Amino acid sequence: EDQVTQSPEALRLQEGESSSLNCSYTVSGLRGLFWYRQDPGKGPEFLFTLYSAGEEKEKERLKATLTKKESFLHITAPKPEDSATYLCAVRQGAQKLVFGQGTRLTINP
Amino acid sequence: SQTIHQWPATLVQPVGSPLSLECTVEGTSNPNLYWYRQAAGRGLQLLFYSVGIGQISSEVPQNLSASRPQDRQFILSSKKLLLSDSGFYLCAWSVQGIGIQPQHFGDGTRLSIL
Repeated sequence: EDQVTQSPEALRLQEGESSSLNCSYTVSGLRGLFWYRQDPGKGPEFLFTLYSAGEEKEKERLKATLTKKESFLHITAPKPEDSATYLCAVRQGAQKLVFGQGTRLTINP
Repeated sequence: SQTIHQWPATLVQPVGSPLSLECTVEGTSNPNLYWYRQAAGRGLQLLFYSVGIGQISSEVPQNLSASRPQDRQFILSSKKLLLSDSGFYLCAWSVQGIGIQPQHFGDGTRLSIL
């Protein structure tokens, strides 16, 4: 069965302190890996789609990378407004997304 | 641009009461539509999806049902709510057709069962 595991569960950083979030997956034939940002009480907001190993996508201070077994979300010089829960999901079949539990990121000023 | 609306934002219901949550999408035609539940401390779980009017696929057996009476309207229902139905319900849409399309989420309904 397809599985997605995110680590760490929670991460506290100081403003400007760069780090990475991990998403490990086991899936028979990857058909897309997705990163979302979720603020408290809100729905997930789409960030990136990665299709194949070696692919990278960037948006402002975020950079997502993909290998055959995992994806990383690198955050460079984060700001307090980057605080959120970051979710990773892999596509299963034609319609289903299998989500990880998320990483709760807190950036202290 | 496309927008997705869910209502109500919060709902408190007694056990055994009925439920109707509504979701509408604007700015696109013939979208795929989805209902997810996010329980505290757990990931998002797909409940239902629809690729067209009247076409509903259920992912998990449960006390809930879904309907799609119009192209851009998706409804989540229950005849009798259970305590275990509490959670954060999210509607999402995606473009049909070519390629791997991301799903885009609404802001959810927080459902509390008393």
